[in-house]
Amino acid sequence: NAGVTQTPKFRILKIGQSMTLQCTQDMNHNYMYWYRQDPGMGLKLIYYSVGAGITDKGEVPNGYNVSRSTTEDFPLRLELAAPSQTSVYFCVCTGTNTGELFFGEGSRLTVL
Amino acid sequence: SQKIEQNSEALNIQEGKTATLTCNYTNYSPAYLQWYRQDPGRGPVFLLLIRENEKEKRKERLKVTFDTTLKQSLFHITASQPADSATYLCALDPGGYNDMRFGAGTRLTVKP
Repeated sequence: NAGVTQTPKFRILKIGQSMTLQCTQDMNHNYMYWYRQDPGMGLKLIYYSVGAGITDKGEVPNGYNVSRSTTEDFPLRLELAAPSQTSVYFCVCTGTNTGELFFGEGSRLTVL
Repeated sequence: SQKIEQNSEALNIQEGKTATLTCNYTNYSPAYLQWYRQDPGRGPVFLLLIRENEKEKRKERLKVTFDTTLKQSLFHITASQPADSATYLCALDPGGYNDMRFGAGTRLTVKP
């Protein structure tokens, strides 16, 4: 089992460009999340999904969009990239709403 | 406003000593709390979960306490080793779909 796989691992974007961070999990978990991590700030929840076809906003959703067409995939779309979106992004999944979270290895995004 | 505060950004201790990390929260009523370990450049890895009706939880050299009156969790590593050096994150459930909220983390360094 690969667990949670994120691509790309690194990316540099210019201001105003768009991109999609891909996330796929082979754990058959219903709950999936996107967090961003900034130095000294802790992980902040961007969006989450409790199952295919269902998504909801987290703490910091502005500038992002998600979709959940299958149980396995939960891509994060950045529209009109801004320097404030420079961060490390983690895709996460869990099988229950009270269990441990499984993290991907992260995607480091720089917007210049 | 809601806050999760971990006692210090960095903690240095000598090998063999007990490391104690603190997580304080305000304006949350979590049903459970989790602790994660994060190594540089990697995603966090789950360590322990403790529920509001549990005072203490142990796993090998790790011990977690949860005091809902003080709104505090303590995380202890006994007989610490250099391999325990990492950043430790506390996370709590805000009462939703396991959309955990994280503290900024404490970077622990265990010196030989």
